[in-house]
Amino acid sequence: NAGVTQTPKFQVLKTGQSMTLQCAQDMNHEYMSWYRQDPGMGLRLIHYSVGAGITDQGEVPNGYNVSRSTTEDFPLRLLSAAPSQTSVYFCASSYSIGDDGYGYTFGSGTRLTVV
Amino acid sequence: KNQVEQSPQSLIILEGKNCTLQCNYTVSPFSNLRWYKQDTGRGPVSLTIMTFSENTKSNGRYTATLDADTKQSSLHITASQLSDSASYICVVSHRLYNNNDMRFGAGTRLTVKP
Repeated sequence: NAGVTQTPKFQVLKTGQSMTLQCAQDMNHEYMSWYRQDPGMGLRLIHYSVGAGITDQGEVPNGYNVSRSTTEDFPLRLLSAAPSQTSVYFCASSYSIGDDGYGYTFGSGTRLTVV
Repeated sequence: KNQVEQSPQSLIILEGKNCTLQCNYTVSPFSNLRWYKQDTGRGPVSLTIMTFSENTKSNGRYTATLDADTKQSSLHITASQLSDSASYICVVSHRLYNNNDMRFGAGTRLTVKP
């Protein structure tokens, strides 16, 4: 049981480059989300999805795109990376948007540096 | 201004000692508060979850308390172990059972030394 798997673990990009952060879960969770974690700040929600084909914006969506073609996968795309997007990114999932909290599972994170 | 403030930012204690971490929040209305443990290089893992009607919740050596009137919570760690070295994150939600609605604190970095 792998849980939530994020790849890559580390990535360095040049300003203007694009890339996709991968997130996959094998728990048949309907709800998936992306956060960024910056020093001295709490995690902030970027985008989320309540099921395949349904996505919506969170608190800090600018500069990021998402899609949800399958229940298992929820990739996060950076179309033109900027230094302000240097951060640690976490994917999370749960059975539904309204789970009891204990079932909310985070991946191990992707550390992204934009130079 | 962050709606969830945690103190101290960092803390160093000796193995076997107890410690208490603080969380003050301004989130309103309030429905539930969670404490997460985040090991270095890992994602957060849930320790306790309390709704507005609960005052305390324990998970092994971890005990969380909540005072909804003063908007304060604390996480008490008893008989600390080296494996307790981690960041501890307080998370407050407006609405009950809504994962979109969480406000995360910046965390307290705890180091337990032998």
